[in-house]
Amino acid sequence: GAVVSQHPSWVICKSGTSVKIECRSLDFQATTMFWYRQFPKQSLMLMATSNEGSKATYEQGVEKDKFLINHASLTLSTLTVTSAHPEDSSFYICSARRGRGNTEAFFGQGTRLTVV
Amino acid sequence: RKEVEQDPGPFNVPEGATVAFNCTYSNSASQSFFWYRQDCRKEPKLLMSVYSSGNEDGRFTAQLNRASQYISLLIRDSKLSDSATYLCVVRTDSWGKLQFGAGTQVVVTP
Repeated sequence: GAVVSQHPSWVICKSGTSVKIECRSLDFQATTMFWYRQFPKQSLMLMATSNEGSKATYEQGVEKDKFLINHASLTLSTLTVTSAHPEDSSFYICSARRGRGNTEAFFGQGTRLTVV
Repeated sequence: RKEVEQDPGPFNVPEGATVAFNCTYSNSASQSFFWYRQDCRKEPKLLMSVYSSGNEDGRFTAQLNRASQYISLLIRDSKLSDSATYLCVVRTDSWGKLQFGAGTQVVVTP
């Protein structure tokens, strides 16, 4: 079964509104989670690294004020897309690893966001 | 230049045939290597890790060439269910930051 749960799996919102996506590790504690975005026929692009109890680390070109990340507990990270625009429409996926080293990364089911 | 590059395909493969494809990575300090499988509109799922000595998991064989900085995946006796996009994934640091290739699409036909 899934070890990383992401919710919602799809969402449609109006331009200018905000959308919150949740990522939970179900049976392990994840001090670090990762948020990715994938446009059609493109690779997953890392947006940010979410660290429990501290600020997220954003990749170059990702607006931290637009994509708010909160990692308030060891099992939950949230990504909020603020003031969404149609160009934010994409597939957002989170991942977490059980530990460090060469361990498998588990992915959430992904959230398909459509901004109209 | 992209950190991880893959031939996008599609590779059209008759059922039962063998297909192989590579990916190249640019960061020589990359630490770990994986092949993930992604079905349409789904999340990636780990297919196999790739070890320096090469490794096999059933019909799947992965190879790593650190000197030339490429990874390969070979699928033998292809099944219809092998149709998917195969993502080459490289870990570049100890925190688990992964770099993804854009994927190679494989279509197995009856």
